[in-house]
Amino acid sequence: GQNIDQPTEMTATEGAIVQINCTYQTSGFNGLFWYQQHAGEAPTFLSYNVLDGLEEKGRFSSFLSRSKGYSYLLLKELQMKDSASYLCAVLDSNYQLIWGAGTKLIIKP
Amino acid sequence: DVKVTQSSRYLVKRTGEKVFLECVQDMDHENMFWYRQDPGLGLRLIYFSYDVKMKEKGDIPEGYSVSREKKERFSLILESASTNQTSMYLCASSFGDSGISPLHFGNGTRLTVT
Repeated sequence: GQNIDQPTEMTATEGAIVQINCTYQTSGFNGLFWYQQHAGEAPTFLSYNVLDGLEEKGRFSSFLSRSKGYSYLLLKELQMKDSASYLCAVLDSNYQLIWGAGTKLIIKP
Repeated sequence: DVKVTQSSRYLVKRTGEKVFLECVQDMDHENMFWYRQDPGLGLRLIYFSYDVKMKEKGDIPEGYSVSREKKERFSLILESASTNQTSMYLCASSFGDSGISPLHFGNGTRLTVT
C-alpha cells in the first residue's frame, strides 16, 4: 500500500529552528508537496520538490531524498504565526496525490 | 490571486437529507477536486474533474456524487446524508494536465449530520 508518515505534533520555541520530517512509500514518485494549514483555514502551498536536494524559500526550506523516500521542511527564525499544521503529499506514478495526516506545530514564546 | 469559494462554512443536516456543497473558482482552472479532512487522517479524495461535465471517482466516492456543468463550479452532493459523513469538506482547483501544479483550496465546509 501507499503510505506517508509525519509526526503528529511538534513543539518549538519562537526564534528557533524546527525540522518536520516526512517519509513515504508510494507506487512511483512525481514530486512531493508541502502545504501549510492554519486552524480553520484552507491549506496553502509552500513547496514542491521533484529532484534531490534542498530548496530554500525565505525562512522555509524543503529537502528531498528520493532514494530514502524522505523529505523534511525546515522552518527558521520561528514566529508565532508559524503555528499551523504542515501537510506532506506525494504525487504517485498515476499523478494522484497521497497525503500524510499532517504535523501540528505549536510555537511557544 | 486564485480564489476558491465554498458556499457555506458550517452546515448542520439531518440523517437522510440530500446535501449540496458548492464550490466556485475564479481563475479558469481546468481541474477541481473535493476532499474530506478528518482528524488523524490525510486528505481523502472523493471526486475530481478535469473538464466541464467530466468526473472521476477518487478514493472514497461511495455516498457522494458531483456535478460540473460550468468550468468554474464544482458541486458535491450527498444523496442521503449519514452521520459518518460528518466531516470537513475541502474544495480545490488547479490548472494544467501535468498534476504538478499546486492546489488552491477553499476555506472548507464543516458539515455535521445528526
